[in-house]
Amino acid sequence: DVKVTQSSRYLVKRTGEKVFLECVQDMDHENMFWYRQDPGLGLRLIYFSYDVKMKEKGDIPEGYSVSREKKERFSLILESASTNQTSMYLCASSFTGIGNQPQHFGDGTRLSIL
Amino acid sequence: GEDVEQSLFLSVREGDSSVINCTYTDSSSTYLYWYKQEPGAGLQLLTYIFSNMDMKQDQRLTVLLNKKDKHLSLRIADTQTGDSAIYFCAGDSNYQLIWGAGTKLIIKP
Repeated sequence: DVKVTQSSRYLVKRTGEKVFLECVQDMDHENMFWYRQDPGLGLRLIYFSYDVKMKEKGDIPEGYSVSREKKERFSLILESASTNQTSMYLCASSFTGIGNQPQHFGDGTRLSIL
Repeated sequence: GEDVEQSLFLSVREGDSSVINCTYTDSSSTYLYWYKQEPGAGLQLLTYIFSNMDMKQDQRLTVLLNKKDKHLSLRIADTQTGDSAIYFCAGDSNYQLIWGAGTKLIIKP
């Protein structure tokens, strides 16, 4: 079974702090994704990466950056956390290829910025 | 770009069938997915359908796809309290998934 592991289930940080959210997958997937989930807004893509050291902006990249130094690890960075970044953050991964390539998700990190 | 729409809530009685609907604007998706999210958890892949199929059945789950109307539905037979969750539909597009906002399924005793 695919395993996507997010480093924290719950995290509380202060405004202005630099925050790191870590995600690791064990299936050698090329693609990795960071979403945030807010009530009534569904999933919104922040950034994704289709290869090591490659990254693409999603729908809402402002205030975030990412790092993919190794294939299995994709980090989301909040450079200077703000209260409007309080949310549920979900990491996902998938293969690149022909045919059915669903995304597999971690359990999520509920981040609160005070 | 593609838009995927779902109603936000569905309430059914335990033991009845639940039908969750999804409409999409772009017919180029090859696969369409249903994910389930239980409270406080990540998303779990429930089932999927290839765009050339009309129907797929997997135990209590039936997926129907009407490509002409761009309509996807998920039917859950004999709905149980454990089915209480948010259900997301999604279509693939250039290695990404385009997501609906999710339908919260509420089970009444």
